[in-house]
Amino acid sequence: KNQVEQSPQSLIILEGKNCTLQCNYTVSPFSNLRWYKQDTGRGPVSLTIMTFSENTKSNGRYTATLDADTKQSSLHITASQLSDSASYICVGTPLGSARQLTFGSGTQLTVLP
Amino acid sequence: KAGVTQTPRYLIKTRGQQVTLSCSPISGHRSVSWYQQTPGQGLQFLFEYFSETQRNKGNFPGRFSGRQFSNSRSEMNVSTLELGDSALYLCASSLETVNSYEQYFGPGTRLTVT
Repeated sequence: KNQVEQSPQSLIILEGKNCTLQCNYTVSPFSNLRWYKQDTGRGPVSLTIMTFSENTKSNGRYTATLDADTKQSSLHITASQLSDSASYICVGTPLGSARQLTFGSGTQLTVLP
Repeated sequence: KAGVTQTPRYLIKTRGQQVTLSCSPISGHRSVSWYQQTPGQGLQFLFEYFSETQRNKGNFPGRFSGRQFSNSRSEMNVSTLELGDSALYLCASSLETVNSYEQYFGPGTRLTVT
């Protein structure tokens, strides 16, 4: 069964600090892994998409890494801002159009001033 | 380009009623997916439509149905509403198959069943 597990469930950091969110996935066959940011009451917004051949991908202060051997991904946020407070969702995409995306339960990040 | 739009944004219904939610994808996108999001279950896939055909379906009862029109707009219907159907319903559109292309989410419809 395809699964995506995220940790920690929640995280509180001070503005300006860095943080790293973790994602372990068992999605087979595997097409790509995605990270989304979701503000409260709004739809998710894509941060990065990585195929199995990519090790790292950046989007501004967000850097995602992927280790296809260990089936682990991380999202690193640099110099956090108050606007980074949101839920961060990891999504495993199976290969083939007839298979469903598998969503993690998300990490709730709170950035305090 | 305009983003994904969903109507209505908020809805309050009574148990036993039915509801129809609407989604307009980004122009040129042919794939529309629907998701249910609740605090306890997170994001759960409902179904995906591509060129008016349901291509994929999640593990939801038959009370949940959908359709897609020739202009790619999609509707989702829930019949005989239950309290547990209270959730944020999200629609996302993608250029082609959602598994190969980026998907863009709408703002969602917040459904409350009383």
